[in-house]
Amino acid sequence: AQKITQTQPGMFVQEKEAVTLDCTYDTSDPSYGLFWYKQPSSGEMIFLIYQGSYDQQNATEGRYSLNFQKARKSANLVISASQLGDSAMYFCAMREGLSYGNKLVFGAGTILRVKS
Amino acid sequence: ETGVTQSPTHLIKTRGQQVTLRCSSQSGHNTVSWYQQALGQGPQFIFQYYREEENGRGNFPPRFSGLQFPNYSSELNVNALELDDSALYLCASSLGTGGLNIQYFGAGTRLSVL
Repeated sequence: AQKITQTQPGMFVQEKEAVTLDCTYDTSDPSYGLFWYKQPSSGEMIFLIYQGSYDQQNATEGRYSLNFQKARKSANLVISASQLGDSAMYFCAMREGLSYGNKLVFGAGTILRVKS
Repeated sequence: ETGVTQSPTHLIKTRGQQVTLRCSSQSGHNTVSWYQQALGQGPQFIFQYYREEENGRGNFPPRFSGLQFPNYSSELNVNALELDDSALYLCASSLGTGGLNIQYFGAGTRLSVL
């Protein structure tokens, strides 16, 4: 079974509007972390936001917020007030708690295009 | 910028050759992880090094090997290159291996195998 599923291959959003990128995950480990990374065409993966499985509140970092619904196993990224520079590939990733190593398991990604 | 640097940025090899990719971790970070990202896919975990020891390995054959040096920089070596090894290779550094240890990535090495 896929550990991380991103069902939107591509998304368009108008500049200054908000957009939600979907992510669902699958784990039986009670302790895990969920991450979102942005990958521009240059290739570098840029860390955006983190949510721990025991965190009571949804994570926020500037214009980024994570809509964490534990029972549904979803961790959607919300980008408010989209900017042209937000155009990139976005990856959702999970780290399972006490497993050997600290590997990240990534989804297939969503390409976001911001229109002016 | 994350402070994680990778070299070279691009590389072209032929099938059967060997390649070494290098990564300098962010200052203060003692853990390096390597990922392979094929075109149009998410990164796949290759292995991780913590304080010069391998600390986890993904589903990659033994011809993928690595090293971590006392200054925590790292190398990824791939022997007997195959066409399917063509990909972006990403290195990430972090402080430790558990808890909230964010992995910060370099810009990657793009390997083409002909």
